[in-house]
Amino acid sequence: EPEVTQTPSHQVTQMGQEVILRCVPISNHLYFYWYRQILGQKVEFLVSFYNNEISEKSEIFDDQFSVERPDGSNFTLKIRSTKLEDSAMYFCASSEDARGYEKLFFGSGTQLSVL
Amino acid sequence: AQSVTQLGSHVSVSEGALVLLRCNYSSSVPPYLFWYVQYPNQGLQLLLKYTTGATLVKGINGFEAEFKKSETSFHLTKPSAHMSDAAEYFCAVSEAGRRALTFGSGTRLQVQP
Repeated sequence: EPEVTQTPSHQVTQMGQEVILRCVPISNHLYFYWYRQILGQKVEFLVSFYNNEISEKSEIFDDQFSVERPDGSNFTLKIRSTKLEDSAMYFCASSEDARGYEKLFFGSGTQLSVL
Repeated sequence: AQSVTQLGSHVSVSEGALVLLRCNYSSSVPPYLFWYVQYPNQGLQLLLKYTTGATLVKGINGFEAEFKKSETSFHLTKPSAHMSDAAEYFCAVSEAGRRALTFGSGTRLQVQP
């Protein structure tokens, strides 16, 4: 079965540094998402992306965050100046069509540690 | 605002026993409801979903869930647990027309031999 691929699986960074988390969604999917899970807390929605623009975002997704689809295959999440509280597991997901929230395909996540 | 409550962060059952994982939700509009499963070092995988129609939905690996509007519940069941069912299970809700899923805090299922 096709899968969503995320790299790296672990990333360690210093507070204040920029990080880019990378995802390769399933090739024929059109909607892309980022979620995160802080250790011991719920999985939280960050942003959804369609047709090269953000279609929905949460309160968490402030000016420090941005997303991009730089080419036909990658989908990235950038955090401009990381804070300690950004430490979390970040999940990328994709779905096939307009009703795709009915079935998201998730990657295995990137564990981000901010020191 | 919608929310999801999963009762029991850890559930332990014996192999062959009934699995029951509880999920209650709140939503101001008719919800779409989901159960996802996460195996170690893997992403979340959709088990089953309810959008409209029949309130008893069947998913993969023998799991099923029933949408009970009067109880605002969507509990997950499986008649007979298997060792391979050990994982973390997440209930989630969304509203029609919105993309964001709201997740519960998860229930870790242990299956004892």
